[in-house]
Amino acid sequence: DTGVSQDPRHKITKRGQNVTFRCDPISEHNRLYWYRQTLGQGPEFLTYFQNEAQLEKSRLLSDRFSAERPKGSFSTLEIQRTEQGDSAMYLCASTPSGSSYNEQFFGPGTRLTVL
Amino acid sequence: AQSVTQLGSHVSVSEGALVLLRCNYSSSVPPYLFWYVQYPNQGLQLLLKYTSAATLVKGINGFEAEFKKSETSFHLTKPSAHMSDAAEYFCAVSDGDKIIFGKGTRLHILP
Repeated sequence: DTGVSQDPRHKITKRGQNVTFRCDPISEHNRLYWYRQTLGQGPEFLTYFQNEAQLEKSRLLSDRFSAERPKGSFSTLEIQRTEQGDSAMYLCASTPSGSSYNEQFFGPGTRLTVL
Repeated sequence: AQSVTQLGSHVSVSEGALVLLRCNYSSSVPPYLFWYVQYPNQGLQLLLKYTSAATLVKGINGFEAEFKKSETSFHLTKPSAHMSDAAEYFCAVSDGDKIIFGKGTRLHILP
């Protein structure tokens, strides 16, 4: 069990550029979640997948954000035309199949800085 | 909708003293509750979870939490603080397929 991994760990970009983050969940975890965490706040839910299906999106997920999980394994989160307000830690988590308690296992996060 | 409120954004305790981090929840259904810890520049690690099996839940690193329905509380405690406990702690409640987090409490350990 290698845990949830995220790449890159840090990303610095200029306003207006596009960025893409990757998350690899724990093997055989069928649910995958994306959260955003800003300084001094708890993680805020963005979206989640069950296998390859995106089941829910938060209103925080503007049309500049898109997430995919094409084969039900890894997932990508893309932010287009980045803004300074997008600067945050982006966390990925996964949940085992059949979990009744929705216990989520988190990756180390990708810290995005938009200049 | 489910929510949690953490009382105190910063808590300081002396090394060896009791740690008490407060969390109150709001839930329309019997809740599943969690405490997570986050060290600087890292993801979240589950400390413990309440799943209605027992009201006193023991977690990792000597932490425990007690579910009190009458007080809608799920406070986190540790009898004796260690320097390595300095971190941010998040209380969370399950909301369907999601988890809703509190704003966190930063725990400072004084030598």
